[in-house]
Amino acid sequence: ILNVEQSPQSLHVQEGDSTNFTCSFPSSNFYALHWYRWETAKSPEALFVMTLNGDEKKKGRISATLNTKEGYSYLYIKGSQPEDSATYLCASMGGANNLFFGTGTRLTVIP
Amino acid sequence: DAGVIQSPRHEVTEMGQEVTLRCKPISGHDYLFWYRQTMMRGLELLIYFNNNVPIDDSGMPEDRFSAKMPNASFSTLKIQPSEPRDSAVYFCASSFEGFNSPLHFGNGTRLTVT
Repeated sequence: ILNVEQSPQSLHVQEGDSTNFTCSFPSSNFYALHWYRWETAKSPEALFVMTLNGDEKKKGRISATLNTKEGYSYLYIKGSQPEDSATYLCASMGGANNLFFGTGTRLTVIP
Repeated sequence: DAGVIQSPRHEVTEMGQEVTLRCKPISGHDYLFWYRQTMMRGLELLIYFNNNVPIDDSGMPEDRFSAKMPNASFSTLKIQPSEPRDSAVYFCASSFEGFNSPLHFGNGTRLTVT
């Protein structure tokens, strides 16, 4: 079992504020890092899959970075909107046969 | 594409009964995964298939759980007999290149065993 940790557990921000959260994972035997957005009563939706150290990916106002040497990834949301409210999950593929999920960061954007 | 389709959306059953959850993956995806979501353990992988063949079932809790994929467009997860501790949301997901590509999740089946 791979220990994937996310922080903070929950976060409240005002509409328009930018925010970021962290995913930590073991740096040894790293294969890939996934980010998902999970809205209440829906299914997780893939945001990014990153594999290389230094990778940066962007999708609209959301971006992510990856540091495989130190074992962390940041997810950034610029100018948060109420529709960004969701749980953001990261998952690390620490071996060839599994993807271990963190427990998520629950984001609430206050209008 | 309609995405990953799971049925039923909700299942309530009594302890000891057999439960069958169904999944249709996205056409063209060679990998299918079954995950279970609980408050205590979060999302955990139960089993996954590549080209209809089970690759890793080490996450299946015990012999009461079984999964099949008779063809590329259909998979089942069966629990027999069911127990209250099996109550959870069960997700099916599919992907093009295993864990190297994004997983596309279905809407899940919420199972309640009384």
